[in-house]
Amino acid sequence: DIQMTQSPSSLSASVGDRVTITCRASHSISNFLNWYQQKPGMAPKVLIYAASKLQSGAPSRFSGSGSGTDFTLTINSLQPDDSGSYYCQQSFGLPPYTFGQGTKLEIK
Amino acid sequence: EMQLVESGGGLVQPGGSLRLSCEASGFTFRDHWMSWVRQGPGKGLEWVGSIERDGSATQYVDSVKGRFTISRDNAKTSLYLLMNSLRAEDTAVYYCARVEAPAGNTWYFDPWGQGTQVTVSS
Repeated sequence: DIQMTQSPSSLSASVGDRVTITCRASHSISNFLNWYQQKPGMAPKVLIYAASKLQSGAPSRFSGSGSGTDFTLTINSLQPDDSGSYYCQQSFGLPPYTFGQGTKLEIK
Repeated sequence: EMQLVESGGGLVQPGGSLRLSCEASGFTFRDHWMSWVRQGPGKGLEWVGSIERDGSATQYVDSVKGRFTISRDNAKTSLYLLMNSLRAEDTAVYYCARVEAPAGNTWYFDPWGQGTQVTVSS
């Protein structure tokens, strides 16, 4: 099975900051990497798919990069509404289709 | 507007059974793989399983194989999760999600339902 490791597990940042969350796969997954945002008590929503493609309706301050085993989610000009948890998920090859353990983002 | 609405969650004793349902609307249900994803209390997300568009194939995470069964009724635009031999560690919010495959081999979960709580406890 492919293991997904996110870092950091939590972070605190201020409005206007640039934030970076990383995700590392235990094996190469090409660009089969998706990012989701989840707010407390709500279902996750996809932000980025195929490592770098912005989902329709997602704010343009979100961007993704990477290929192979190392991936990054970047939030430019952090907004109060960006608080929540972020998860990476690999969609490569055969199941199981694993998620990272999540990153909890707090706005100072 | 695309919508997924889960139902059927509740409190069940260890060893018991429960059947979750997910009713879809706002998109052509039969054109999409569908999945179940769960989230334990205070924990991250775990893919449970998926079902092919016509129901001919299913996939499961190892921890539920032989205990959980995913099925669908395309005429009723509904997805189901039959859970048998439930364990305390199956306690979670269960989400149904559409598998979206825009181009090539890439795919992701979108949208998700609001989730239904399953609690396994005596």
